[in-house]
Amino acid sequence: GAVVSQHPSRVICKSGTSVKIECRSLDFQATTMFWYRQFPKKSLMLMATSNEGSKATYEQGVEKDKFLINHASLTLSTLTVTSAHPEDSSFYICSALRGARDTEAFFGQGTRLTVV
Amino acid sequence: GQNIDQPTEMTATEGAIVQINCTYQTSGFNGLFWYQQHAGEAPTFLSYNVLDGLEEKGRFSSFLSRSKGYSYLLLKELQMKDSASYLCAVALYGNKLVFGAGTILRVKS
Repeated sequence: GAVVSQHPSRVICKSGTSVKIECRSLDFQATTMFWYRQFPKKSLMLMATSNEGSKATYEQGVEKDKFLINHASLTLSTLTVTSAHPEDSSFYICSALRGARDTEAFFGQGTRLTVV
Repeated sequence: GQNIDQPTEMTATEGAIVQINCTYQTSGFNGLFWYQQHAGEAPTFLSYNVLDGLEEKGRFSSFLSRSKGYSYLLLKELQMKDSASYLCAVALYGNKLVFGAGTILRVKS
């Protein structure tokens, strides 16, 4: 099966610092990756779509300068939360598609970010 | 906008059958997914429907009616480990997934 690895699984950082989260497809090349955010007891909210070699497409209301996404290769996308604040504390999850025609998304394990 | 509705919570007894409904109104449709999610973990794929009808996979079945904008997930022979949140998600063109709020299923003995 397709495996997506997300790192770190948990991170605690101080307000004002930046945090980078990595999403790797381990056994396939991911043309498209998605980044989601999930608040406690709520569903996943799509933040942005990341395509290899091009700029990410952000959903309405998501600050692109706050949440920097880089999809530098077909197996790696990164999400950097810049100048983090306590309200950025959340569960962040990535998913990856194997190909343009692939509809099944494979999810990473998620990253629990706590900003103190 | 996109609208996906599913019940907030359901409770069922071990060994029973439970049906979780999902209705949707979206600007596009490229299939409907059901995922299972345990607290603090990533979603796990359960099923995918793109054509009308019933898809069966072991204890889990999923049904889709595109004309009605309706799907359900059927869980048979419930086990305690089935206690989780069940997410209905519609794939839009470009394969973006839009999720419902999730249904928390509690299985009691």
